[in-house]
Amino acid sequence: AQKITQTQPGMFVQEKEAVTLDCTYDTSDQSYGLFWYKQPSSGEMIFLIYQGSYDEQNATEGRYSLNFQKARKSANLVISASQLGDSAMYFCAMREFGSYNTDKLIFGTGTRLQVFP
Amino acid sequence: DGGITQSPKYLFRKEGQNVTLSCEQNLNHDAMYWYRQDPGQGLRLIYYSQIVNDFQKGDIAEGYSVSREKKESFPLTVTSAQKNPTAFYLCASIQGGEQFFGPGTRLTVL
Repeated sequence: AQKITQTQPGMFVQEKEAVTLDCTYDTSDQSYGLFWYKQPSSGEMIFLIYQGSYDEQNATEGRYSLNFQKARKSANLVISASQLGDSAMYFCAMREFGSYNTDKLIFGTGTRLQVFP
Repeated sequence: DGGITQSPKYLFRKEGQNVTLSCEQNLNHDAMYWYRQDPGQGLRLIYYSQIVNDFQKGDIAEGYSVSREKKESFPLTVTSAQKNPTAFYLCASIQGGEQFFGPGTRLTVL
């Protein structure tokens, strides 16, 4: 079963506007973590933001915020004031802490964001 | 500076040869992971390790092997049994909510 779902293969946003990238997840564990990464054309994976399942506040890092809705099992990334340099692939990932054998980090299929002037 | 190094950046292999990709971290992280990424695709888990001398298969382990003799090192061997090894390989290490990726190795089979 798909554990991490990103339903938007591609998104367009105008510079200086905000954009939301969707991510839903599936887990029966109570303890897990959610990550967002940016991958520019160079291939490097850049960590953006982390949300633990027990964190009550939504995580924020500069222009990035994570809209965490636990009951809906969604962890959407919000980028405010988009910049041309934000154009890249964005991946959502989940790590389940439930047991030794399932402690792995799994990824969604990604969303390609393009920012236009 | 703490981080993960992967070498080489580009690797070319003839069919039938085994090759080993290096991954080293100085972050004192327990967990390390290997991923494969094909063009335009997401990351698929090959192997992962939570502690020294122990590792588990991921979703696409066939044709690959790993070792974890030291906490800092988690090398990946692509064997001749891997039928389509041309891809981008990424190594990562994680401790709680802190994690890093290496810069990746692009493997091409000639």
